[in-house]
Amino acid sequence: EPEVTQTPSHQVTQMGQEVILRCVPISNHLYFYWYRQILGQKVEFLVSFYNNEISEKSEIFDDQFSVERPDGSNFTLKIRSTKLEDSAMYFCASSEHRSSAHYGYTFGSGTRLTVV
Amino acid sequence: GEDVEQSLFLSVREGDSSVINCTYTDSSSTYLYWYKQEPGAGLQLLTYIFSNMDMKQDQRLTVLLNKKDKHLSLRIADTQTGDSAIYFCALVFSGGYNKLIFGAGTRLAVHP
Repeated sequence: EPEVTQTPSHQVTQMGQEVILRCVPISNHLYFYWYRQILGQKVEFLVSFYNNEISEKSEIFDDQFSVERPDGSNFTLKIRSTKLEDSAMYFCASSEHRSSAHYGYTFGSGTRLTVV
Repeated sequence: GEDVEQSLFLSVREGDSSVINCTYTDSSSTYLYWYKQEPGAGLQLLTYIFSNMDMKQDQRLTVLLNKKDKHLSLRIADTQTGDSAIYFCALVFSGGYNKLIFGAGTRLAVHP
């Protein structure tokens, strides 16, 4: 079964450092998403991406965040200057269609980011 | 605004049925999903229901949708210890590019 792959599974970084979280979506999917889950809290939408541009972003997705599809397979989330409150599990997801009812959104297993 | 609410914790005895409830605010939701998250793992799509359906059954899982009350439930029959996880209700709200909005998740604990 096709998977969304995220690397690394766990990243520890110092406050103020830049981090790049990487995702390989399912190959025929066209829509890409980043979500995050602060420990014990809701899974929150960050950003959606289609046709090489951001489709929608949440209030959380401020100027410190950026996304990129640098090649045909990777989808990255960059946090320029990490803060303690950026510590969370970050999930990448992809979907074939805007509203993929049969498959929902396929999520990766997440990257746990710890900012110290 | 867009909001999805769930109770946070449910404890059941092995073999009993579990019912996890979810309420939402946007009546125009087209697709409603249940995701499962096991400890340390990602989000696994468990099942989904179209908004024009009242019920969907999939083996031990039954999803009930009451659009009038904006209430969604997931029933797990014959609950097993392997069902212990966090269950998230998620909706695709109308407008924009149909992003998923999640509830806070219900932690299901199954005890012998």
